Amino acid sequence: AQSVTQLGSHVSVSEGALVLLRCNYSSSVPPYLFWYVQYPNQGLQLLLKYTSAATLVKGINGFEAEFKKSETSFHLTKPSAHMSDAAEYFCAVKGGAQKLVFGQGTRLTINP
Amino acid sequence: DAGVIQSPRHEVTEMGQEVTLRCKPISGHNSLFWYRQTMMRGLELLIYFNNNVPIDDSGMPEDRFSAKMPNASFSTLKIQPSEPRDSAVYFCASTPSFGAGAIQALHFGNGTRLTVT
Repeated sequence: AQSVTQLGSHVSVSEGALVLLRCNYSSSVPPYLFWYVQYPNQGLQLLLKYTSAATLVKGINGFEAEFKKSETSFHLTKPSAHMSDAAEYFCAVKGGAQKLVFGQGTRLTINP
Repeated sequence: DAGVIQSPRHEVTEMGQEVTLRCKPISGHNSLFWYRQTMMRGLELLIYFNNNVPIDDSGMPEDRFSAKMPNASFSTLKIQPSEPRDSAVYFCASTPSFGAGAIQALHFGNGTRLTVT
C-alpha cells in the first residue's frame, strides 16, 4: 500500500523567500509521485510529476521537486515566493495499478 | 478543451432529500474518479471508473451513496437520503488512462459544494 505524509499543515513565508514544502512517501513498489495545487474554490491542478526519468523534476510556476529514494522524500521547492503562490498544496503517490493517494495538504501563506 | 465540468457548483438541501451530482469528463479520457474533500478527512477517493465500468468503490461510505457512468461523457454521484455529515466538496476528475504503468495526471473539475442542513 502507498501513503504520503506532508510535514506541516501550514507554512508561512515572506514574499521573495524560499518555499519548501515537505513530503515523504511510503510505497512497496517504485512510485510515481505528484504535486498538485489547489486555489480557493477550485479543483486541484497538477504542478509536476515524477515518473522515474529524472530525480529533479521541474514544474509550472517555477516550482521543482527532487526525488530522494534514500530519504523516501519528494519535497517541493521554489527559490522565490510570490503572492500568487498562496494556495494549498497536495503531494500524491501512485504505485503500479494502485490508486492515487493524496496527503493531507499544506496551506502556504505568503507574507508581503 | 473545456476541462472537467461539474454541476451544480453549490447545492443546499435538507436532511433526507436526494442529491445528484453530475460530471462531464474531458473528451477521450477513459478513467473517471469521484473524490470528497472535508477539513477533517482531506481528499478521499469514493469510486473510480475505467471505460465506464466501476473498478473500485471501496471508498463509498455507505449504501446511501451510489455512482453511475452510463456513457463515456457523463457520470453521476447520488446520495439518498442525504445527511448533514455528507456536507463536503465533491470533486470529479478524469485521466486518459489508469492502471499499471499509467502516469498521466488527474484533471479535476471545480467541485460541487454540498451543504445538508
